[in-house]
Amino acid sequence: QLQLQESGPGQVKPSETLSLTCTVSSGSISSTNSYWGWVRQPPGKGLEWIGTVHYSGRTNYNPSLKSRVTISVDTSNNQFSLKLNSVTAADTAVYYCEREVGGTSPDSWGQGTLVTVSS
Amino acid sequence: QSALTQPRSVSGSPGQSVTISCTGTSSDVGGYNYVSWYQQHPGKAPKFIIYDVSKRPSGVPDRFSGSKSGNTASLTISGLQADDEADYHCCSYAGSYWVFGGGTKLTVL
Repeated sequence: QLQLQESGPGQVKPSETLSLTCTVSSGSISSTNSYWGWVRQPPGKGLEWIGTVHYSGRTNYNPSLKSRVTISVDTSNNQFSLKLNSVTAADTAVYYCEREVGGTSPDSWGQGTLVTVSS
Repeated sequence: QSALTQPRSVSGSPGQSVTISCTGTSSDVGGYNYVSWYQQHPGKAPKFIIYDVSKRPSGVPDRFSGSKSGNTASLTISGLQADDEADYHCCSYAGSYWVFGGGTKLTVL
């Protein structure tokens, strides 16, 4: 069964860059029909889709975050990564990595990692 | 872009049915048959329970059903069980991205 695991710092300072990596196991990140992405959830609030990357490098981002987001893929290590720059307290959230298949919304999720933006 | 609108909370007794609504616009819910629903227990990742408005992934009980009329999608849970108590999130395709609702807390009385 596909497994996704997030890793990265749990705290980032305001104005700096948030960086997270997702490791995919029991499945190949190079699957043609799969897109790999990120969703976040501020404490006590709803979910927000951030964007996805295909193993080919093709990306798609939420228009509201597009200017600050980069999602990239590392096929050799079966990983993909998120970078969100110029963070503020509003970016404090649990960040989930996820998979989308065949044009559907995320069907597999990592356990999530809390990132707090604070000095 | 705005989040989809869901009621903050709903409740029901064991064995009863409850319906959770999800209202969007013609640019998302009303424009595509790509509405999904997720169940999320406290401290856990969301679980995919409905996709393409009314389809269930393998392993999801048929007590969970989805529908859509115009700009509003609905999730119905029949035969409520204690373990159904969770947050439920709707999600819709919006042309180039996915947009979620604010989430609904289901309490099983």
